Amino acid sequence: ETGVTQTPRHLVMGMTNKKSLKCEQHLGHNAMYWYKQSAKKPLELMFVYNFKEQTENNSVPSRFSPECPNSSHLFLHLHTLQPEDSALYLCASSLGAGLAGVGETQYFGPGTRLLVL
Amino acid sequence: EDQVTQSPEALRLQEGESSSLNCSYTVSGLRGLFWYRQDPGKGPEFLFTLYSAGEEKEKERLKATLTKKESFLHITAPKPEDSATYLCAVQASYNQGGKLIFGQGTELSVKP
Repeated sequence: ETGVTQTPRHLVMGMTNKKSLKCEQHLGHNAMYWYKQSAKKPLELMFVYNFKEQTENNSVPSRFSPECPNSSHLFLHLHTLQPEDSALYLCASSLGAGLAGVGETQYFGPGTRLLVL
Repeated sequence: EDQVTQSPEALRLQEGESSSLNCSYTVSGLRGLFWYRQDPGKGPEFLFTLYSAGEEKEKERLKATLTKKESFLHITAPKPEDSATYLCAVQASYNQGGKLIFGQGTELSVKP
């Protein structure tokens, strides 16, 4: 495997279900990100992890719960979601998050297409 | 407020018809401006990073340029396989968390 991988690629869940999205990066990076992409809207940052520590939560509802056990893996635990949470969820990684004076390129995975019924 | 605006929202070209996509930004100090390509149902694919005004980068039929207020993605003699949505994003110098602010994208369609 190379780059950033995400599983599952597609997920359909009911509002009472609990599911998890998985992301793995094979780039030796130290920062990982979750983004949400809704139709006709810009990518929206959800969470940032730098060296396994959460450094940003962009006012995300508590029904989304991230977990970063190490610098290579990132999870997004989902529970009691709403239909408006249906979107493409993208994971990304970069060398670091916040290296002084450097604009850090983020590399994205293929995404998980989530449908909440 | 930091903001990124891309224009046009959609662009239809004939194969071989060169054009440019625009990305205007307002940010309190720029650490980097990024261009991505996104195909339907897939994640964004990295194209270029630009750091300072006057910088230019090229890759095949694509050339990205940067000024203090905007960036252009020039497409020379495009082919149908260049059809995709092109995303622009900026990272602000005050932000130490790696946050990218994205525009809404330009959907490019190249007809044979």
